[in-house]
Amino acid sequence: DAGVTQSPTHLIKTRGQQVTLRCSPKSGHDTVSWYQQALGQGPQFIFQYYEEEERQRGNFPDRFSGHQFPNYSSELNVNALLLGDSALYLCASSFDGLAKNIQYFGAGTRLSVL
Amino acid sequence: QQQVKQSPQSLIVQKGGISIINCAYENTAFDYFPWYQQFPGKGPALLIAIRPDVSEKKEGRFTISFNKSAKQFSLHIMDSQPGDSATYFCAAKRSGGSNYKLTFGKGTLLTVNP
Repeated sequence: DAGVTQSPTHLIKTRGQQVTLRCSPKSGHDTVSWYQQALGQGPQFIFQYYEEEERQRGNFPDRFSGHQFPNYSSELNVNALLLGDSALYLCASSFDGLAKNIQYFGAGTRLSVL
Repeated sequence: QQQVKQSPQSLIVQKGGISIINCAYENTAFDYFPWYQQFPGKGPALLIAIRPDVSEKKEGRFTISFNKSAKQFSLHIMDSQPGDSATYFCAAKRSGGSNYKLTFGKGTLLTVNP
C-alpha cells in the first residue's frame, strides 16, 4: 500500500518564478492538506482540499493556490516566488470519515528559491 | 501568536533513559493532540495521539500525559534508544465546524546517545 507520494523531491527556482508541486494521497483517502515547513520550524497549514474544493485556508497569501483532481490527487501552486518561500512543502492525506483527524504525511518537496 | 508552545528545543538523553517533551496550548477548543516523529529527509509520522477525556495514553514505550486544567500535555519515551533520535512535534486540532488544520509546535530535536 503506497503512502502519500509527492513530486518532485527537490526543486530550485528563481525569485518571481512560479512552481507547481504534486501530491498523491494514501489509498482510500479523499482529503489533502498542504503544509509549509521552514527550516527548524513546525509545519504551518496552508490549506485543505476536499471534494475538489478548498475548505479551509491558513494565513498564506493568494500567491498560494491549489487544486484537487477527481482521483483525489492535488497540486500546490505558488506564484511570484519570494526568497522566503524556500521551505519543505508537505502534503498530508486523510479520510473524511471515521478517524478523520489522522493525517498521514508525505516526505515533502524541498523548494529552494534563489 | 503561537498557539502551541513546545519545549525543550533540543534534548540529549543516554540510551535507556527517559525522554520528556512538553507542550502547552492556549486554545481551549482544541480536542485532539497528536505527536509526530520526523527523521531527516522524511515527512512527519504519527506516533501517538490523545483526546482531553483521558489523562494518559500509552503505546509501547511512548506515553502521552494530558493535564486539561493546565492546558499542557507531554510525551514520555521510556527506555530511549538511539533509533529514537529524531525531531518530535506536538500538535493540536479543534473538531467541528470548518476546522481541519493541525497546529504544530516548533519541534524538539532528540538525540539518544549509545
